[in-house]
Amino acid sequence: NAGVTQTPKFQVLKTGQSMTLQCAQDMNHNSMYWYRQDPGMGLRLIYYSASEGTTDKGEVPNGYNVSRLNKREFSLRLESAAPSQTSVYFCASSEGLAGAYEQYFGPGTRLTVT
Amino acid sequence: GDSVVQTEGQVLPSEGDSLIVNCSYETTQYPSLFWYVQYPGEGPQLHLKAMKANDKGRNKGFEAMYRKETTSFHLEKDSVQESDSAVYFCALMDTGRRALTFGSGTRLQVQP
Repeated sequence: NAGVTQTPKFQVLKTGQSMTLQCAQDMNHNSMYWYRQDPGMGLRLIYYSASEGTTDKGEVPNGYNVSRLNKREFSLRLESAAPSQTSVYFCASSEGLAGAYEQYFGPGTRLTVT
Repeated sequence: GDSVVQTEGQVLPSEGDSLIVNCSYETTQYPSLFWYVQYPGEGPQLHLKAMKANDKGRNKGFEAMYRKETTSFHLEKDSVQESDSAVYFCALMDTGRRALTFGSGTRLQVQP
């Protein structure tokens, strides 16, 4: 049981380049999330997917798109990277959206945009 | 909107000291409250939780009481160990929302 896996672990992009961050979970969870973590700001929700086939914006969605490819996989795409998107990105999953369900986080992707 | 405030960015107790890490929250709903812990190079993991007012979350000697009257969920431990060193995030989830709202985090660095 790998839990939540993310690729890549590190990435450096130039301004304007695009890339997709991959996330997969093997816990048969219904809900998946993308957060970004910046120093002194905790984690902020970018997008989430309540269940396969649905996605919704979180607190900071601008500049990002997501795809819930199937129940296991939830990708985050940066179409035109900007230095403000330099951050650590975490994917998470849970059985459902309610507070009773624990969220399990992946190890993160550290992205630098120059 | 919802918010979570952690007033200490870093705390530096010595091994064996008691610990209180402050967490206050603002919401118009009836949230569940959580403490997540993050070790270097890893994602956050659930440390303890309290689902309603007056519940107490417990894990590995840590405790936190859900106090609705003071809108607080402070993390406490009687005697910290070096292995407790990590970043601790307070978080809430409202009944009407879909994901966690996190505080800014408190780095606990226990001195040997």
